[in-house]
Amino acid sequence: AQKVTQAQTEISVVEKEDVTLDCVYETRDTTYYLFWYKQPPSGELVFLIRRNSFDEQNEISGRYSWNFQKSTSSFNFTITASQVVDSAVYFCALSEAQRVMGNNDMRFGAGTRLTVKP
Amino acid sequence: DVKVTQSSRYLVKRTGEKVFLECVQDMDHENMFWYRQDPGLGLRLIYFSYDVKMKEKGDIPEGYSVSREKKERFSLILESASTNQTSMYLCASSPGGTGGYLNTEAFFGQGTRLTVV
Repeated sequence: AQKVTQAQTEISVVEKEDVTLDCVYETRDTTYYLFWYKQPPSGELVFLIRRNSFDEQNEISGRYSWNFQKSTSSFNFTITASQVVDSAVYFCALSEAQRVMGNNDMRFGAGTRLTVKP
Repeated sequence: DVKVTQSSRYLVKRTGEKVFLECVQDMDHENMFWYRQDPGLGLRLIYFSYDVKMKEKGDIPEGYSVSREKKERFSLILESASTNQTSMYLCASSPGGTGGYLNTEAFFGQGTRLTVV
């Protein structure tokens, strides 16, 4: 069964610090997808990134970067030069490949609450 | 833009009541999901549906049922609400794949905070 672990419950940093949010996953599928979502105080989850299991290239989007390592089953998320607006709960999620008779379901980690102080 | 709309933002119900949480999406998505979110536990999957009238249990289906009579609408039903079902409920939808590995991101509603007293 698929499982996602976000060991960091809460992280607090000062503005402009870099911060890395950890995500470790378990799956028996060879084809799967990994996601990061942001949940700001308003409550609605916002999609950040999707990665498939065949693409281990790291990705950078502005101040955000993601490090995917299959060897350690990790998909970590780094925010460079953090800002107060980055304060939110961040979720990592895993979806296994589509089944023939059904469709994919998505499993989430417990989330990491990031607080960025001015 | 994809829009997933949950019928209520806040709901207060009494123990033993039958509760309906409604979710509508406007992008013709095949997949729809119900999660509950509790502090320290993240999002836990209750049920999901990959087609009209099709449903599968998630991790915590006990005490819940679902209904999907139309593609755009997915309802979560608490047959007899209990205080331990006080939580934030999130609905999501995503497109189905086309014969392969096309799992895409899910789009979420704003959530319904349910309090059972």
